Amino acid sequence: KAGVTQTPRYLIKTRGQQVTLSCSPISGHRSVSWYQQTPGQGLQFLFEYFSETQRNKGNFPGRFSGRQFSNSRSEMNVSTLELGDSALYLCASSLGLAGAEQYFGPGTRLTVT
Amino acid sequence: DAKTTQPPSMDCAEGRAANLPCNHSTISGNEYVYWYRQIHSQGPQYIIHGLKNNETNEMASLIITEDRKSSTLILPHATLRDTAVYYCIVRLLSYNTDKLIFGTGTRLQVFP
Repeated sequence: KAGVTQTPRYLIKTRGQQVTLSCSPISGHRSVSWYQQTPGQGLQFLFEYFSETQRNKGNFPGRFSGRQFSNSRSEMNVSTLELGDSALYLCASSLGLAGAEQYFGPGTRLTVT
Repeated sequence: DAKTTQPPSMDCAEGRAANLPCNHSTISGNEYVYWYRQIHSQGPQYIIHGLKNNETNEMASLIITEDRKSSTLILPHATLRDTAVYYCIVRLLSYNTDKLIFGTGTRLQVFP
C-alpha cells in the first residue's frame, strides 16, 4: 500500500509570509504527528492529531498550527515565518493504537529567506 | 527531554555485526525501548521495539539488559545501506499519544 506522502517536497518562503504543508497518511491510519528537524535542535515533536482532534502538542509557539480532516489528511500551518523556521518538516502516521508503529513521510524542506 | 544516551558516532565494516548501545537508566516499568533509523534526508524508519525480552525481526535484534537500564541494537551483517543515524527512544505505550521524543542518536558509518 502507498506510504505517507507529503507535499510540497521543497518550499522557499520569505520572512513574514505564511506556509501550509500537507500530509496524506497511509490508508486506514487515523493518527498523524508532525515533527520539525533542524541541525541545531534535532527532531522535535510539534503536534499530533487523531480523529480530527489535537491529541498532543509540543513546545512550539502559536504560530505553528495544524488540523486534520475527516479523511485523516493533515495540514500544518506556520504564520509569520522566521529564518529559524527553516527546517525539514516530517509527518508520521499510525493506526493510533497504543504502541502502534509510526510510518514517516519523506518530509517537506522549508527554506525561509 | 530524551531519556536515552547514545554515542554520537560509530564505524562498522561491511558484513560485520554492528552493535549500537543505548543507555536508559531512568526507564520506568511500563516504558518500551524503540529504535528508529534515519537515512540521509529521508524520514525515520521503524526498526524494532521491546519491553524486557530480547526481540528479533528481519532487520535487527534488540538485547535489553535484565535491569532494563541499557540496550543494544544489533545489525547482524551490516551493509553500506545501513549507514544512517540510529535513534533509541523510550516510549510510554499509551492509547492517547503517539508522541516520540528523539535524542541525538548514533551516526553509524558502514565502510567497505
